[in-house]
Amino acid sequence: DTGVSQDPRHKITKRGQNVTFRCDPISEHNRLYWYRQTLGQGPEFLTYFQNEAQLEKSRLLSDRFSAERPKGSFSTLEIQRTEQGDSAMYLCAIQETQYFGPGTRLLVL
Amino acid sequence: RKEVEQDPGPFNVPEGATVAFNCTYSNSASQSFFWYRQDCRKEPKLLMSVYSSGNEDGRFTAQLNRASQYISLLIRDSKLSDSATYLCVVRNSGNTPLVFGKGTRLSVIA
Repeated sequence: DTGVSQDPRHKITKRGQNVTFRCDPISEHNRLYWYRQTLGQGPEFLTYFQNEAQLEKSRLLSDRFSAERPKGSFSTLEIQRTEQGDSAMYLCAIQETQYFGPGTRLLVL
Repeated sequence: RKEVEQDPGPFNVPEGATVAFNCTYSNSASQSFFWYRQDCRKEPKLLMSVYSSGNEDGRFTAQLNRASQYISLLIRDSKLSDSATYLCVVRNSGNTPLVFGKGTRLSVIA
């Protein structure tokens, strides 16, 4: 048990659809990170929050991506108008413990 | 140039072998260094932190050379269960995001 759950674990969608992923730390953590991992690559940073404030976004996070952490606990990552290139595993991590959630595997058809 | 570069692998070794993974990083200001292990279709898990003095955890030994900006991981007496992808990771300061290498795949063969 890493202390981080993610939902859904798998998502298959058609190109152009919107998808939303959720990350739930089991206990309170100030910092929450989102990463994306494509096949054959290491995870790449997308964005992070300190409490409810989004402090940094990478260049990978296009305008179609939005993330929130409304109460400083769970976080959501939404992708609008999905593209096939969005297919990847989306990982949430709690920095203090350096634990990753199990990830959400997205396949865009 | 990628910020963290690793041996491309894959490494296929027999049980009991010693295997070494190398990694270089480009940001001389990097402060924290780690090795993560990732099993197929699973999330990365912290294997060990890497300190300048070198550190050991059972069969695993990690070394850091700040002057050369080089990190290594040595696995002795390889087990079948060591088969995984090993990710070299740096953090540039404080609680900034982790920067991952592409990973090196290890297969330990009976």
